[in-house]
Amino acid sequence: KAGVTQTPRYLIKTRGQQVTLSCSPISGHRSVSWYQQTPGQGLQFLFEYFSETQRNKGNFPGRFSGRQFSNSRSEMNVSTLELGDSALYLCASRAGPSGANVLTFGAGSRLTVL
Amino acid sequence: AQSVTQPDIHITVSEGASLELRCNYSYGATPYLFWYVQSPGQGLQLLLKYFSGDTLVQGIKGFEAEFKRSQSSFNLRKPSVHWSDAAEYFCAVGSYGGATNKLIFGTGTLLAVQP
Repeated sequence: KAGVTQTPRYLIKTRGQQVTLSCSPISGHRSVSWYQQTPGQGLQFLFEYFSETQRNKGNFPGRFSGRQFSNSRSEMNVSTLELGDSALYLCASRAGPSGANVLTFGAGSRLTVL
Repeated sequence: AQSVTQPDIHITVSEGASLELRCNYSYGATPYLFWYVQSPGQGLQLLLKYFSGDTLVQGIKGFEAEFKRSQSSFNLRKPSVHWSDAAEYFCAVGSYGGATNKLIFGTGTLLAVQP
């Protein structure tokens, strides 16, 4: 069974630009979560989608948004990039939104903002 | 509020030595508890989880963890460390569901293994 696939793995943007990251969950998983990992703030929850609906959102500005498609694939978008948005963005999927369903993480998308 | 504390930022052990990584959590009820490992440039891999029942849980790669409610701890242990265990380890607490269904991670412990 293929794991969680994130694309692109690495990207470089400049301040003010926007970026879209993609996540394909494990087959059969309908819940997708996004986390941001930085050296200063650690791992922080961004949002979770289930059945194309955002179920939960972390404490991030409105520049961070996401969506989920009918095939459970998800994208997250960051607009008007700032230097502080440089981070590893991790996507994770699970069968459903229950806390008893374990998250499986992808390898991440490393974003560098110059 | 839920929180996770990993008091050791960096630990160095010799290959073959035993290992214990500490994790303390704050949560209003019985939590879901997890240990994940992250190798450089990689995502997070689940080592083990605790939901209920036996407080000593076994995981992959020879790791185990013990849930101690009285101490609000979930320490990770391994009897004999291998060089390939060098990585960063994250403890996490999860909620049961509803609007706050997410993982709260500790700040991580970076493990170095000396030959």
